[in-house]
Amino acid sequence: AQSVTQLGSHVSVSEGALVLLRCNYSSSVPPYLFWYVQYPNQGLQLLLKYTSAATLVKGINGFEAEFKKSETSFHLTKPSAHMSDAAEYFCAVSLSYNTDKLIFGTGTRLQVFP
Amino acid sequence: AAGVIQSPRHLIKEKRETATLKCYPIPRHDTVYWYQQGPGQDPQFLISFYEKMQSDKGSIPDRFSAQQFSDYHSELNMSSLELGDSALYFCASKDRDMNTEAFFGQGTRLTVV
Repeated sequence: AQSVTQLGSHVSVSEGALVLLRCNYSSSVPPYLFWYVQYPNQGLQLLLKYTSAATLVKGINGFEAEFKKSETSFHLTKPSAHMSDAAEYFCAVSLSYNTDKLIFGTGTRLQVFP
Repeated sequence: AAGVIQSPRHLIKEKRETATLKCYPIPRHDTVYWYQQGPGQDPQFLISFYEKMQSDKGSIPDRFSAQQFSDYHSELNMSSLELGDSALYFCASKDRDMNTEAFFGQGTRLTVV
């Protein structure tokens, strides 16, 4: 069975500081990994995805994530937080890129202080 | 570009009533997924369809049913509603033959009172 674990349900940073949101996965086969962002009362927007190509994945809004097989991790980072980054972030895993459902982590709420 | 359309965006129902949620996938997308996100929870997979046939089933209650129609839109039917069914229901669609991820709609917020 596949699963993802997001460490820290809440993360607070100052504007301009580094953002680090942690995600560890468990999968019996090479996984496909995703990060989604959800703003209040909004849908899920894809930030970035890992599909077994490059291990360092760049996404939208300056976010990136690195797939580390040895650590079973796919942490999300952004060098400098912006107030508009405040949202809920979900890590998700899938068995297949094209056909399988997503299994989400419990989410991390990011707060950005001025 | 066209996105996944869900209707209605908001729905208020009383306990024991029925509700129907609709999802209109991106044109030419043949696969639809339904997810349920309870308050403060992560999205949970309910059910999926590919070419009008159920392709996978998750933690969907027996009181719920869904189908995908010939025009690829999908409907989630919920009967004997309970307070615990209050949630945000997402639909996502993809073209299985294309190497892209699923795209999510804005969701339908169901409130059961």
